[in-house]
Amino acid sequence: QKEVEQNSGPLSVPEGAIASLNCTYSDRVSQSFFWYRQYSGKSPELIMSIYSNGDKEDGRFTAQLNKASQYVSLLIRDSQPSDSATYLCAVTAENAGNMLTFGGGTRLMVKP
Amino acid sequence: KAGVTQTPRYLIKTRGQQVTLSCSPISGHRSVSWYQQTPGQGLQFLFEYFSETQRNKGNFPGRFSGRQFSNSRSEMNVSTLELGDSALYLCASSSGTHGYTFGSGTRLTVV
Repeated sequence: QKEVEQNSGPLSVPEGAIASLNCTYSDRVSQSFFWYRQYSGKSPELIMSIYSNGDKEDGRFTAQLNKASQYVSLLIRDSQPSDSATYLCAVTAENAGNMLTFGGGTRLMVKP
Repeated sequence: KAGVTQTPRYLIKTRGQQVTLSCSPISGHRSVSWYQQTPGQGLQFLFEYFSETQRNKGNFPGRFSGRQFSNSRSEMNVSTLELGDSALYLCASSSGTHGYTFGSGTRLTVV
């Protein structure tokens, strides 16, 4: 079983809709959680980080963390075609320094 | 503030050769990590350096090595290249508090 799992997609949503991306992790000592966006041919770009249970909002993005259920999600409100990319979930664990463990990514397609 | 700078952007090497990739982190960042990205395996952690010391190492063979200099710049080396080493190699730097910023990567092709 992979340590960080994401549905590979593609997840297709119409422009203006809410896109919901999910990620589960297996290591209970995971501490920090990140969402990266990666456009084709580009490097990952950090869009959200979350460290404690609950919701964290930043503009059109909301990250949600539930440590008891071991999942983290990313909501993108008012989705735009420019949001079409692969979204990578990454976690770090206690005593693992800054080592990021990535999920396989979910490809999001926002249709005009 | 300048971002993470990786050089070169593209490389083509022959099997059996060795290669050295360079990464300059964001000014003030002391942690530098390296990742390999391939279509089949996704993003995999290679190693992390902090203040010139390797703090973590991923599950890669000893042909993959790295180092960090006193100015936090880092290099990674791959010896005896194999076709399977063809990948995008990404460097990320961190101040330890605000996540990790990736460079543009070095795309290595082994022929």
